[in-house]
Amino acid sequence: DGGITQSPKYLFRKEGQNVTLSCEQNLNHDAMYWYRQDPGQGLRLIYYSQIVNDFQKGDIAEGYSVSREKKESFPLTVTSAQKNPTAFYLCASSPRIVRDEKLFFGSGTQLSVL
Amino acid sequence: SQQGEEDPQALSIQEGENATMNCSYKTSINNLQWYRQNSGRGLVHLILIRSNEREKHSGRLRVTLDTSKKSSSLLITASRAADTASYFCATVTTGANNLFFGTGTRLTVIP
Repeated sequence: DGGITQSPKYLFRKEGQNVTLSCEQNLNHDAMYWYRQDPGQGLRLIYYSQIVNDFQKGDIAEGYSVSREKKESFPLTVTSAQKNPTAFYLCASSPRIVRDEKLFFGSGTQLSVL
Repeated sequence: SQQGEEDPQALSIQEGENATMNCSYKTSINNLQWYRQNSGRGLVHLILIRSNEREKHSGRLRVTLDTSKKSSSLLITASRAADTASYFCATVTTGANNLFFGTGTRLTVIP
């Protein structure tokens, strides 16, 4: 089946620890995105990538880092600099950078702090 | 903030009734999209309406767009218990490459 796979579904972070969330897509999409969702809130853009080896900061990039070494993969690292990391993280993709494109979403990763 | 705002924040109706959700936004847009999210899951795209369109239908969904009022509405007709979810509007502002999401409406359809 084509789609976006996020792993793990649940992740726990200790104080001072970096953790990496995985996002893989087999839709052959050029553009990929990371969003953060806090309880009862909308989605906020962390980073996005239009093409391999390129990525741009979104609205809340501080404390996060990404890489785009392969078209299929767009991992997100939550660094120790992110002081409030507890949230639901959603990865998405679109055929091209979105204008008239819809986004395809993964099923999310819930990150909690121990 | 460029984020849209949905109204109401929560809506509870009986199965078979219609549900209407509204979205307001602040800047000129290229298009507006509606998404659905079941609890603890990713979002699913429902419908996209362009700035030069006024109304669009997809099955039991009807979306309207009024760019003069910077608002959109999503109507779900003959609701079903399976429609229970959160619904988000998202806008692509003119000249931007990204979607800005609203805060969502939580819809509960009672069987």
